[in-house]
Amino acid sequence: GQQLNQSPQSMFIQEGEDVSMNCTSSSIFNTWLWYKQDPGEGPVLLIALYKAGELTSNGRLTAQFGITRKDSFLNISASIPSDVGIYFCAGQRGANSKLTFGKGITLSVRP
Amino acid sequence: GAGVSQSPSNKVTEKGKDVELRCDPISGHTALYWYRQSLGQGLEFLIYFQGNSAPDKSGLPSDRFSAERTGGSVSTLTIQRTQQEDSAVYLCASSLALGSGGRHNEQFFGPGTRLTVL
Repeated sequence: GQQLNQSPQSMFIQEGEDVSMNCTSSSIFNTWLWYKQDPGEGPVLLIALYKAGELTSNGRLTAQFGITRKDSFLNISASIPSDVGIYFCAGQRGANSKLTFGKGITLSVRP
Repeated sequence: GAGVSQSPSNKVTEKGKDVELRCDPISGHTALYWYRQSLGQGLEFLIYFQGNSAPDKSGLPSDRFSAERTGGSVSTLTIQRTQQEDSAVYLCASSLALGSGGRHNEQFFGPGTRLTVL
């Protein structure tokens, strides 16, 4: 089935650095979400975006819903070791519809 | 806790056997979703329940897969005659699903059931 595009598959950064992740789609979504998954756990919602152009922050995380509704980005500032994990973007078309996920980006943070 | 729970956490079975996976959603959440996550992949949608009915079953990969939900709460996902390609983590999510979009429709995930078919 359709998936959102996330690349690269892995990112390696130094503790304290900022990192940006992008997510693109060939079709429009009305809601964009960013999840983080730790090993052996289910994904945890980080940020949800509901309007095109919306910029939302959650602590050191900032995400934006692209104007075209076909992309979103997530920024993590001043990374710390516990930021390690897999970051998934997800799009949703309708209020109670399924989520369509990207393949995720595995983030490693070097102390 | 008050989150989504799933059981068992791990299931190892032999090819050809049937398995049942259980999901207990957050109390009061009317919408329930099943997803599958294969190694190194994103989550793949399987089925969505609103109450006890399933408006969207489009993600079920074959007729060996079925799911039901009773009492608007617990759901079971059944895989018959399991195959090795069914090996994956099966994740359940629930949401309030008030129908108006926004924060009330955010999906909260359980820890998943890791299924291994030998």
